Amino acid sequence: DAMVIQNPRYQVTQFGKPVTLSCSQTLNHNVMYWYQQKSSQAPKLLFHYYDKDFNNEADTPDNFQSRRPNTSFCFLDIRSPGLGDAAMYLCATSRGARDRGRGYTFGSGTRLTVV
Amino acid sequence: AQTVTQSQPEMSVQEAETVTLSCTYDTSESDYYLFWYKQPPSRQMILVIRQEAYKQQNATENRFSVNFQKAAKSFSLKISDSQLGDAAMYFCAYSTQGAQKLVFGQGTRLTINP
Repeated sequence: DAMVIQNPRYQVTQFGKPVTLSCSQTLNHNVMYWYQQKSSQAPKLLFHYYDKDFNNEADTPDNFQSRRPNTSFCFLDIRSPGLGDAAMYLCATSRGARDRGRGYTFGSGTRLTVV
Repeated sequence: AQTVTQSQPEMSVQEAETVTLSCTYDTSESDYYLFWYKQPPSRQMILVIRQEAYKQQNATENRFSVNFQKAAKSFSLKISDSQLGDAAMYFCAYSTQGAQKLVFGQGTRLTINP
């Protein structure tokens, strides 16, 4: 089945130690998104890639970076995680504006704990 | 900027009863989409139902239906014959016209009582 896969499901990292979260998709969707979701809050968009074009949200901290080496993979890098970065990180994909009525396909998320 | 508001942080309903989750939004766009997503505990967020703004007819998917009031900017979700598997966090979301981004509400946690 075509899907969005996030690895790992659970990640524990040390305060200040760089960490990378991974997302892959078999849907061949143009757009890949990263959302941060803190407990009992709405998902907050960090950035997205439309093909190779990177689009950062204005309020995304510089501590968060992303890479998309090819259509299938997208990575979220947190350069120096703080305690406030503990959250669920959701990856999602879509086919872009031409298909926006379909919404997104989400991965299962990676829950990040910072110790 | 578009905003989405869900005023009910938590709701509960008896199994087999009907429950309605509220959502309001603010936008100056005329063409947009609205969605309800379901996020079970520790599981993937999945699409429940979608509504196109230019369609007056309310969307329906089996036990799930919406009451879309465009002038009032209201988009509520009705779940009929509630089942234990409906227990989850429900998010209302708005799809922006140009940038194709989803803006989410704060969510409503739905509990189903046996």
